[in-house]
Amino acid sequence: AQKVTQAQTEISVVEKEDVTLDCVYETRDTTYYLFWYKQPPSGELVFLIRRNSFDEQNEISGRYSWNFQKSTSSFNFTITASQVVDSAVYFCALGNYNTDKLIFGTGTRLQVFP
Amino acid sequence: GAGVSQSPSNKVTEKGKDVELRCDPISGHTALYWYRQSLGQGLEFLIYFQGNSAPDKSGLPSDRFSAERTGGSVSTLTIQRTQQEDSAVYLCASRINYEQYFGPGTRLTVT
Repeated sequence: AQKVTQAQTEISVVEKEDVTLDCVYETRDTTYYLFWYKQPPSGELVFLIRRNSFDEQNEISGRYSWNFQKSTSSFNFTITASQVVDSAVYFCALGNYNTDKLIFGTGTRLQVFP
Repeated sequence: GAGVSQSPSNKVTEKGKDVELRCDPISGHTALYWYRQSLGQGLEFLIYFQGNSAPDKSGLPSDRFSAERTGGSVSTLTIQRTQQEDSAVYLCASRINYEQYFGPGTRLTVT
């Protein structure tokens, strides 16, 4: 069975703090994709990153970085020097290589206070 | 370029009525998906269209739900005889390079 677990329901930080959102996945597929999406209060899901299962290189994009570890089936997301505009619900998702439908985690609500 | 668009943005309907939700994908994207986001169930896959292939309907919760995609572009999700448990935000996404881009959703409220 495929499953995505985001154990952190809600995280609150003060601006400029670093914060890491955890994501653990389960799949029997050897080839798959992992994603992070941001859902701000406006409601629209915003694509952040896609990672292929055969590429374990970590990625950095500005204040965002992602740590993919197949050995622990984790794909964690770190925001450095958080800002109020980072406040949103963040979803981790698993995509099957063939069917491509996404299995979402339950999301982590991040609140960044000034 | 324009993103995925959905209409209406909000729909309130009475229990038992039929509703149609529309999705306009990003031009050039060949795959289109419908998902549903509700408080109790989170984000769940409903149906997937890819080119001329038969759609993957494995996520549709009942036979009251159906979807069409005309001309490989616009899609319509139809819910017949709506029930209160159908209340949710219905999200459409189109895909390119294994990346799905979502529309703003249609918030459906069944009274």
